[in-house]
Amino acid sequence: KQEVTQIPAALSVPEGENLVLNCSFTDSAIYNLQWFRQDPGKGLTSLLLIQSSQREQTSGRLNASLDKSSGRSTLYIAASQPGDSATYLCANSGNTPLVFGKGTRLSVIA
Amino acid sequence: DTAVSQTPKYLVTQMGNDKSIKCEQNLGHDTMYWYKQDSKKFLKIMFSYNNKELIINETVPNRFSPKSPDKAHLNLHINSLELGDSAVYFCASSQDMTGGRGYTFGSGTRLTVV
Repeated sequence: KQEVTQIPAALSVPEGENLVLNCSFTDSAIYNLQWFRQDPGKGLTSLLLIQSSQREQTSGRLNASLDKSSGRSTLYIAASQPGDSATYLCANSGNTPLVFGKGTRLSVIA
Repeated sequence: DTAVSQTPKYLVTQMGNDKSIKCEQNLGHDTMYWYKQDSKKFLKIMFSYNNKELIINETVPNRFSPKSPDKAHLNLHINSLELGDSAVYFCASSQDMTGGRGYTFGSGTRLTVV
């Protein structure tokens, strides 16, 4: 059964730092990987989608990469800002509906 | 313009009641889902429907009954509500069952059973 692990569970950084969030899968049959952001009490906002034939996607200060052979994805956030504070979730759609990790709770301190 | 809309946004009800949550998507997607986010914020699939047909039922109690009148709608009816049903329920959709073009989520329905 597919399991998704996100490390670290929580992260607090000063504004301006570059940071990396990690995501790993137990099933190497990764079809598509999607990163989401969830603000407290809010829904999920899609950040980046890496389709199975791709290795990375970029949007603004965000870059996500996917290594299918090792079953890992990383989300890189450059020049972090207080507005980046949220929970970041990765999810793999494999051959089942999206399976989520438990998220990384990010706090960016001004 | 909302892509996936859920109603209501908040729902407070007493134990034993029956309630429904509605979901609609205007993206033309074929596949819709219900996810449950528990108190520890963990998101877990409950059901998926493809073109009105049930595809996945992830060992959800049969007090939960999804209904899809057409591929743009997926409603969730819950009978005999229990305290443990308190959670945030998210509806989502994808173009097809592979999810190859990503998933779009609604803003969630916060259910509180008292």
